[in-house]
Amino acid sequence: GQNIDQPTEMTATEGAIVQINCTYQTSGFNGLFWYQQHAGEAPTFLSYNVLDGLEEKGRFSSFLSRSKGYSYLLLKELQMKDSASYLCAVRGGGKLIFGQGTELSVKP
Amino acid sequence: DSGVTQTPKHLITATGQRVTLRCSPRSGDLSVYWYQQSLDQGLQFLIQYYNGEERAKGNILERFSAQQFPDLHSELNLSSLELGDSALYFCASSARDRDTYEQYFGPGTRLTVT
Repeated sequence: GQNIDQPTEMTATEGAIVQINCTYQTSGFNGLFWYQQHAGEAPTFLSYNVLDGLEEKGRFSSFLSRSKGYSYLLLKELQMKDSASYLCAVRGGGKLIFGQGTELSVKP
Repeated sequence: DSGVTQTPKHLITATGQRVTLRCSPRSGDLSVYWYQQSLDQGLQFLIQYYNGEERAKGNILERFSAQQFPDLHSELNLSSLELGDSALYFCASSARDRDTYEQYFGPGTRLTVT
């Protein structure tokens, strides 16, 4: 089966850095995605990792360790608009399975 | 705007009824995915179609069915509706089949069953 764990909620300050962790167990791992979702809106793609290491994309970076079943999303220079749910999703067995999401609140 | 369209945006219906949700993928995308998102369950994968054929199945109830038509639009049919079926239903599309890189999500259909 597949299991994805991420913290339910986090709080951070505007301008700071926050790291959102995701651990997973899956058969046939074929990539890990991070999506951002504002309340009531569609998820939007942030990053994709299939090999170990760090992928950087502007203020957002994502890291993957396949041997540890671990990923994190790093958000730098936080802005108020970054307040949203961040979904970790693992592709395996032809399916994309989402975690429950981490609700990030950015405070002034 | 992802390029994926879904109709209707909102749907209110009664228990026991049947509804059809419609999705048009991005131009050129052959794969369509359906997801259900409720407050207590998160985003749950239901089913995937690729170029008209069912490719993968997730936690889709027997009361639910879907199809993808020759013009690549897809419909999700929900029957014998229960209160617990109230949720946001998202459609997503991608260019390829199993080797998907990124899925683009539509704005969703909010279903309320009363």
